[in-house]
Amino acid sequence: QKEVEQNSGPLSVPEGAIASLNCTYSDRVSQSFFWYRQYSGKSPELIMSIYSNGDKEDGRFTAQLNKASQYVSLLIRDSQPSDSATYLCAVRRFYGGSQGNLIFGKGTKLSVKP
Amino acid sequence: SAVISQKPSRDICQRGTSLTIQCQVDSQVTMMFWYRQQPGQSLTLIATANQGSEATYESGFVIDKFPISRPNLTFSTLTVSNLSPEDSSIYLCSVDTLQSNEKLFFGSGTQLSVL
Repeated sequence: QKEVEQNSGPLSVPEGAIASLNCTYSDRVSQSFFWYRQYSGKSPELIMSIYSNGDKEDGRFTAQLNKASQYVSLLIRDSQPSDSATYLCAVRRFYGGSQGNLIFGKGTKLSVKP
Repeated sequence: SAVISQKPSRDICQRGTSLTIQCQVDSQVTMMFWYRQQPGQSLTLIATANQGSEATYESGFVIDKFPISRPNLTFSTLTVSNLSPEDSSIYLCSVDTLQSNEKLFFGSGTQLSVL
């Protein structure tokens, strides 16, 4: 089982709709979770971080974390064509009380159609 | 967030040569990392660049192929040695600051093509 799994997509939604991006992770001791957006030919840009169970909202973005199910999601409300990008889920583990590395999923390609 | 300058932004190299990528941060950072992103793939950590000591390499990456330097808290280089077409990738520098609460920020990346 891959450590961080995402549906590669492409996920296509109409402009104004809600885009839902999902991510599962295998290591139960993971503590920190991040969503990055990557436009084609560009480097990843951090858009959300979440550390505790529940929802975290920032503008049009909502991150959801369920540690029992080992599941992280990102909702994008009122999707815009400019949201078209690859969204990378990243998980940070801890080893013996110290920080581990960020492990990235393969990313989900989102396409928002005008 | 830290401002990260990475160069070159892209290069085309001949097989058997080497390319050195530089990463400069505008403030002192705790951790600096080098990632590789092969075409259509996600990011894979190559190594953690340690200030004043040898880098810590991930499984599958070795110092002879990917020598790394970090002479101070704001600068690091990654060299990709003895290039082959399989090394064609995007290479990314990333940093983790005391203020960032574990968030990683990325440089603009280096697109390497090996002929």
